Amino acid sequence: QVQLVQSGAEVKKPGASVKVSCKASGHTFTGYYTHWVRQAPGQGPEWMGWINANSGDTKYAPKFQGRVTLTRDTSSSTAYMELSGLRSDDTALYYCARDGSHTAMSYFDYWGQGTLVTVSS
Amino acid sequence: DIQMTQSPSSLSASVGDRVTITCRASQSISIYLSWYHQRPGRAPKLLIYAASSLQSGVPSRFSGSGSGTDFTLTISSLQPEDFATYYCHQSYSTPQTFGQGTKVEIK
Repeated sequence: QVQLVQSGAEVKKPGASVKVSCKASGHTFTGYYTHWVRQAPGQGPEWMGWINANSGDTKYAPKFQGRVTLTRDTSSSTAYMELSGLRSDDTALYYCARDGSHTAMSYFDYWGQGTLVTVSS
Repeated sequence: DIQMTQSPSSLSASVGDRVTITCRASQSISIYLSWYHQRPGRAPKLLIYAASSLQSGVPSRFSGSGSGTDFTLTISSLQPEDFATYYCHQSYSTPQTFGQGTKVEIK
């Protein structure tokens, strides 16, 4: 069965960087885009960007451009999200999600369990 | 950015009720609209994609409609496991955006 398993919770100081991993299994990793979505406490989801797991092409939300980097390792079927210049308002649950569409449309049919990133001095 | 506005922001309903949630986009998004629900402490779960296509494994009591700027999610007969927060999501343009959520609570 399709699974996305994310790395564990992180606590970081303001200004630091964090790198979250998302290991895929049960499907052909390079056949799908992987998206990253975050959710601050009590808030709705916020889309951060996607990576084409085959080509490595990326697209980022303008809000995060310059601070977020999405990468992947096809040998281990793992996607990564690195966010730099952390601020207190980056405290959130970070999810990876598989894009189930093979068209210009996106929808997220499988999600990781979420990784809590806490930014605190 | 395309703003997605859901209404209502919350509602109380009983098991067996018919429930309708609306989502309005600030500009036309064709049918690039999906619906999710999220239970506390869990990741969102896909219910509907392409505005009206039912995701595999999702009960048929869920249905979606609409195109352009106005969309609707309907639950024909609310079940106990449906009490959750519902979100719409547009993928028509970058950045992709979500609605603010509709919390469905037990009456």
